[in-house]
Amino acid sequence: NAGVTQTPKFQVLKTGQSMTLQCAQDMNHEYMSWYRQDPGMGLRLIHYSVGAGITDQGEVPNGYNVSRSTTEDFPLRLLSAAPSQTSVYFCASSYSSGTASYEQYFGPGTRLTVT
Amino acid sequence: DQQVKQNSPSLSVQEGRISILNCDYTNSMFDYFLWYKKYPAEGPTFLISISSIKDKNEDGRFTVFLNKSAKHLSLHIVPSQPGDSAVYFCAASLVSDDMRFGAGTRLTVKP
Repeated sequence: NAGVTQTPKFQVLKTGQSMTLQCAQDMNHEYMSWYRQDPGMGLRLIHYSVGAGITDQGEVPNGYNVSRSTTEDFPLRLLSAAPSQTSVYFCASSYSSGTASYEQYFGPGTRLTVT
Repeated sequence: DQQVKQNSPSLSVQEGRISILNCDYTNSMFDYFLWYKKYPAEGPTFLISISSIKDKNEDGRFTVFLNKSAKHLSLHIVPSQPGDSAVYFCAASLVSDDMRFGAGTRLTVKP
């Protein structure tokens, strides 16, 4: 049971390049989400999904796209990277958005630098 | 607009003493509150949570207190251990699946 996995661990992009951050979970969780962590800002929700085929925007969605074609995978796409997207990105999952706990399991993170 | 605030960026306590981490929120619609712990180069891990219908939840050395009238919650760690040294994030959840995190407090427990 690997939990939540993220690839790559590190990435450097040039402004304007595109890339996809991969996230997978093997716990059959319905709810998955993407956060970015910046100094002094904590974790901010980018996009989330309550099940395959369903996605919604979080607090800071601009510049990012997501899709959820399977329960296991929830990739995050940067269509045209900008220096403001330099951050550490965390993917998370939980059993259900309807549970009382909302406890989420986080991946190890992807450190992205945009030059 | 940061709806969840952790006003102390860092806290240092002696091993065996109590650690108290504080968190304030502005949105009275939050219905669930959580604390996460994060070590360097790792993702956050869930520590303890509390529903808005309760005012206290305890799990071993960790206790979370919720004061709804003051829109304030706190995490107490007793006794503190060096392994507790980490960044602690407070989080609050709305029914709409939107989770908001505070900026974090770095706890250092000195032996």
